[in-house]
Formats: sequence, structure tokens, C-alpha cells
Amino acid sequence: DTGVSQDPRHKITKRGQNVTFRCDPISEHNRLYWYRQTLGQGPEFLTYFQNEAQLEKSRLLSDRFSAERPKGSFSTLEIQRTEQGDSAMYLCASSLVLQGNYYGYTFGSGTRLTVV
Amino acid sequence: AQSVSQHNHHVILSEAASLELGCNYSYGGTVNLFWYVQYPGQHLQLLLKYFSGDPLVKGIKGFEAEFIKSKFSFNLRKPSVQWSDTAEYFCAVTNTGGFKTIFGAGTRLFVKA
Repeated sequence: DTGVSQDPRHKITKRGQNVTFRCDPISEHNRLYWYRQTLGQGPEFLTYFQNEAQLEKSRLLSDRFSAERPKGSFSTLEIQRTEQGDSAMYLCASSLVLQGNYYGYTFGSGTRLTVV
Repeated sequence: AQSVSQHNHHVILSEAASLELGCNYSYGGTVNLFWYVQYPGQHLQLLLKYFSGDPLVKGIKGFEAEFIKSKFSFNLRKPSVQWSDTAEYFCAVTNTGGFKTIFGAGTRLFVKA
């Protein structure tokens, strides 16, 4: 499968615990994005990487959230001291941007986080 | 503020009916426009996109969308829906650099067989 892979698919955690999600993008893609989706809403932008550089972070990404993309390959999204409001689907997407031309996202299946 | 508004949250149609899903956006500058679809149990997939040129764009599975710049709209259409079109549809807009996409809240389409 050459799509975008996310792990785990589901995560249930107790409030206050830390969680980490992983995303493996399409290898040829140079951009990687994290989005969050709650029930009845469309995906909301969290952050994106161009290769290994994190170029923008949403105000939604509080200081409890951190994302990394070491070596410009896979990415991790960590949430520290989880709160019930963090319960959501966390989506990863990747895209190819060449010479300013952008071709749309390829999404992964998401990680559904439930904080109890 | 940048935003995307989808007019209908839920749409129910019978097979063979025509479909039009409304989408309006508020976004400064030149934009790229997209429709994504999420079938039950599957991940979001790109349905069609508009970058420039002919404002009427055709996507997969017989879908098309028309960009009307003066109305800031990008409505999705299909002449005759099938049961398999049951899904949630998201309109999305991004700047030409493609680094940040704003999504609408989605429209859930249910097609009765």
C-alpha cells in the first residue's frame, strides 16, 4: 500500500496521560500536514511540514501539542497531559508541491483519540 | 476571516435524482478549490479540484463543479446519483501555495435505493 499510513487507528487514554501518533506519508510527497476533525465538523488545520521544517502552526496547537518530522520522512504528533476536549480524529495528509504547483492532499485513515 | 460555508448539512435523495451541493468561501487572494469525499468507513479522498482555466471541472464518478468567482462559489453537481454516492462531502479552499486548507463542515448525502 503506497498511501498515507497512520498508527494507531484508535487510542483510548486517561485524562492527563501523554499520547503520540505516527504518520507515514507517501514517500514522494514533500509536504506533510496534521488536521483534527471533531464530530460534525470538517478537518481543522493544525500544522504542516515542508520536508523536515515545521513551517506553520495553528493557534489550535496549544503548548501541550508538539509535532516533529525528523529527516523529512514520518511525522509524530504528541499530546501531553491530555484533556477530554482533545478527543477527536487526528488526520495526517501529504502532498507534492513542485515549483509552486500543488496537487491536493492524500489523507490517511486517521487516529481516533478518546480521552476518558 | 477565512471560511468555507456548505449550505446543507444533510441531503437525502432517491437514486437517479440530480445533486447540487452548495459551497461558498471567504478567502483573500487567488485560491485553489477542492471537493473531498468520505465514503462510510473510508478516509477522505479527493473528488475534484480547480486551480485555473475552465471554471467547470470534472472529477471522478461523474461529479463536476463550477467555480463562479463573482459569487465566491464552487458548487458540486451530479446529474444522476447512485446509492454508492452515499458519503460525506467536504468543500475546501487553499491558497495557491497549498500549505493551509480550510474545510467546510461537510454535507452528508444519503441516497435511497
